[in-house]
Amino acid sequence: KQEVTQIPAALSVPEGENLVLNCSFTDSAIYNLQWFRQDPGKGLTSLLLIQSSQREQTSGRLNASLDKSSGRSTLYIAASQPGDSATYLCAPPSGGSNYKLTFGKGTLLTVNP
Amino acid sequence: GAVVSQHPSRVICKSGTSVKIECRSLDFQATTMFWYRQFPKQSLMLMATSNEGSKATYEQGVEKDKFLINHASLTLSTLTVTSAHPEDSSFYICSAHRGDTEAFFGQGTRLTVV
Repeated sequence: KQEVTQIPAALSVPEGENLVLNCSFTDSAIYNLQWFRQDPGKGLTSLLLIQSSQREQTSGRLNASLDKSSGRSTLYIAASQPGDSATYLCAPPSGGSNYKLTFGKGTLLTVNP
Repeated sequence: GAVVSQHPSRVICKSGTSVKIECRSLDFQATTMFWYRQFPKQSLMLMATSNEGSKATYEQGVEKDKFLINHASLTLSTLTVTSAHPEDSSFYICSAHRGDTEAFFGQGTRLTVV
């Protein structure tokens, strides 16, 4: 059974800082891993999808890395902005499926102006 | 990006009544959709897999008679919470995958049973 841990649980930083969010998972037999953000009371917005054959994926100020062998992924956010404040979730699939995603509790990020 | 639309975003119902939540993929076809549930400050938990044209597959511990799922077309799945009780109050959210991998989520539905 896939289990996901995200560290830290909460993070508060001043605007402009670069930061790293960490995700670890127990079942490394995954095809891909996806990062999402969730605003309070809202659905999930897909940020990045990393295929198992990739080690990194970039979109704008976001960069995600994947190390399957160690069961870890990181999300790097450059030059953080108040609009980045949200809960960030990593979601590897589980049960040998590409589709059944397993979520941790996420990292609650607050970027202060 | 791909869009998954969920309706309604909020619903309040009386205990004992049923509530239907719709999930639509707006710009792609989805033979499979997924329904999740999220309690406050908790992670999303997969409830069931909705399969177009066939029965849904439920995760362990999820009552299929309580949470009825219908996937009648390639763009629409519905979740009906039957005989709702206050403990069913939660945030329900659906997802669909475009192609083989990337998942897109709806906006979620906040259900409050009074």
